[in-house]
Amino acid sequence: QSVLTQPPSVSGAPGQRVTISCTGSSSNIGAGYDVHWYQQLPGTAPKLLIYGNSNRPSGVPDRFSGSKSGTSASLAITGLQAEDEADYYCQSYDSSLSALFGGGTKLTVL
Amino acid sequence: QITLKESGPTLVKPTQTLTLTCTFSGFSLSTSGVGVGWIRQPPGKALEWLALIYWDDDKRYSPSLKSRLTITKDTSKNQVVLTMTNMDPVDTATYYCAHIAMASFDYWGQGTLVTVSS
Repeated sequence: QSVLTQPPSVSGAPGQRVTISCTGSSSNIGAGYDVHWYQQLPGTAPKLLIYGNSNRPSGVPDRFSGSKSGTSASLAITGLQAEDEADYYCQSYDSSLSALFGGGTKLTVL
Repeated sequence: QITLKESGPTLVKPTQTLTLTCTFSGFSLSTSGVGVGWIRQPPGKALEWLALIYWDDDKRYSPSLKSRLTITKDTSKNQVVLTMTNMDPVDTATYYCAHIAMASFDYWGQGTLVTVSS
């Protein structure tokens, strides 16, 4: 059971908007630690998608956006494409500076 | 550009100690703010953070695995080594190392699958 809770799966049709939530607590996200998001395509290593709650690394399309409020964070994907089908993970830290990962969310493009 | 690559045994027996090496290029672990972490992923399961080490030799471990893990760095060789004692079949996973910047894991190695079986 991960400390950061994500929905196991989400789905959407091409062109639609989907969001993935990441719920923590006052010991991690709520304590002010940034949330980062990773995309893992099948059979590949994870790739950083969003860092510092809402920043995109160079090369990540602006269809991907992140936000954080209180003890939760969200990843939004607009204009859904078939190539977005992947597993998505949130990550943060706790007060002992241990890294935390969410349980992952499988995105299916219908 | 930053690259990382994991190396080590692909098969270990139960109770043995696993030693994995992360060899990297494109950055120095003596540069302020830089770190390297280890993350694993059992087949079909989620990512699990294991340990990390920073440029100043600050080390952090997963609380649930702390007693079994040791992370060290060799700045001159551009390597980070993770040892995990008393391996069990449940430790079968792909093990990744990753560069840390701005508290995120921004560059990852390709991963190495370690199977624990007698």
